[in-house]
Amino acid sequence: AQTVTQSQPEMSVQEAETVTLSCTYDTSESDYYLFWYKQPPSRQMILVIRQEAYKQQNATENRFSVNFQKAAKSFSLKISDSQLGDAAMYFCAYAIGNEKLTFGTGTRLTIIP
Amino acid sequence: ETGVTQTPRHLVMGMTNKKSLKCEQHLGHNAMYWYKQSAKKPLELMFVYNFKEQTENNSVPSRFSPECPNSSHLFLHLHTLQPEDSALYLCASSRGRGRGEETQYFGPGTRLLVL
Repeated sequence: AQTVTQSQPEMSVQEAETVTLSCTYDTSESDYYLFWYKQPPSRQMILVIRQEAYKQQNATENRFSVNFQKAAKSFSLKISDSQLGDAAMYFCAYAIGNEKLTFGTGTRLTIIP
Repeated sequence: ETGVTQTPRHLVMGMTNKKSLKCEQHLGHNAMYWYKQSAKKPLELMFVYNFKEQTENNSVPSRFSPECPNSSHLFLHLHTLQPEDSALYLCASSRGRGRGEETQYFGPGTRLLVL
């Protein structure tokens, strides 16, 4: 069974600084998809970034970028210029095309003003 | 954040009660999902529907009964629940056929407490 591991239950960062959230996964597949979802205190989860494993280029969305290391099965999320609105639970997730999305246990990110 | 709505937002029920959770998506998607979110555990997929047809039942106990009358509405009927069923229940939708690779859009969830 595929597993997703987020080893940092909680992280904190000073406003305007950069923080990196780690995620590793276990799979024997070569073609798959990786996601970071954000769940703010209001509970509505939203997609932050999506990466297709066959693409070597790391995905970016404004201040959010990933460091995708396929051989190491690592998919970390970097948040630059952290803002108060970035405070949330962040979930890493993995999927093979037709199979269900598998989530990690999440990292709670606190932004320090 | 109004693409996927869920009602009620909070629900307290006894173990002998029958209640229903409702989810509605306004995004024109074809696939809908129910997840259970418990503290310090990964989200657990419960059910997936594609064009009203159930395509996944992740070994969910029969006290949870889903219903998908059309591709915009999804219900979760609850009957004789246990205290360990207390959790946040999230609904989601996606544009495709309910494949894991699709970006999912989540509702705000229903916080359920079973006494």
